[in-house]
Amino acid sequence: NAGVMQNPRHLVRRRGQEARLRCSPMKGHSHVYWYRQLPEEGLKFMVYLQKENIIDESGMPKERFSAEFPKEGPSILRIQQVVRGDSAAYFCASSRSRDSPLHFGNGTRLTVT
Amino acid sequence: GQQLNQSPQSMFIQEGEDVSMNCTSSSIFNTWLWYKQDPGEGPVLLIALYKAGELTSNGRLTAQFGITRKDSFLNISASIPSDVGIYFCAGRMNRDDKIIFGKGTRLHILP
Repeated sequence: NAGVMQNPRHLVRRRGQEARLRCSPMKGHSHVYWYRQLPEEGLKFMVYLQKENIIDESGMPKERFSAEFPKEGPSILRIQQVVRGDSAAYFCASSRSRDSPLHFGNGTRLTVT
Repeated sequence: GQQLNQSPQSMFIQEGEDVSMNCTSSSIFNTWLWYKQDPGEGPVLLIALYKAGELTSNGRLTAQFGITRKDSFLNISASIPSDVGIYFCAGRMNRDDKIIFGKGTRLHILP
């Protein structure tokens, strides 16, 4: 029973490029969450999606960041025109229902040069 | 905004010692979760708590959901080297479905 799969594990982008981070939830999970973690920090909530719908995007910057969870395929977190401050580990988590605990992937470490 | 205050920030202990860490908030939560994160990996769920006063064990780990619903603690008994890592508390409030995290307790075991 595969866990939450994130790819790529590491992503290097130059300033101004686009970063696309992918997340496939656990089988049977229709709720996806994205979190961001800086070194020595906790996880900061960004966005919560349920198939084809954004439920809560209160933690996501209004500009340059977007997320989707299409009917078919993985959830995508997209960062346009990346800046150095976007460098962080981005974790995806999934759950079976709104009340269930989250299960995390191993993250994508984004480095902006 | 909502905040979880987790303490201590770091712990340095001898192998075999018991460990205790806690998480507090000024807000009421209806779910408390404890996760462990190893370097380079995602957080792994240790224990989930859903009722005030609930005491739940997972092997050498025991966690409790505080009676006031504003706190939770995690105990680890007879620590071993593989317990090293960062422990995060997380909570979900009644009226809000997102889960927020504390800043973590970093557990180190002295040689």
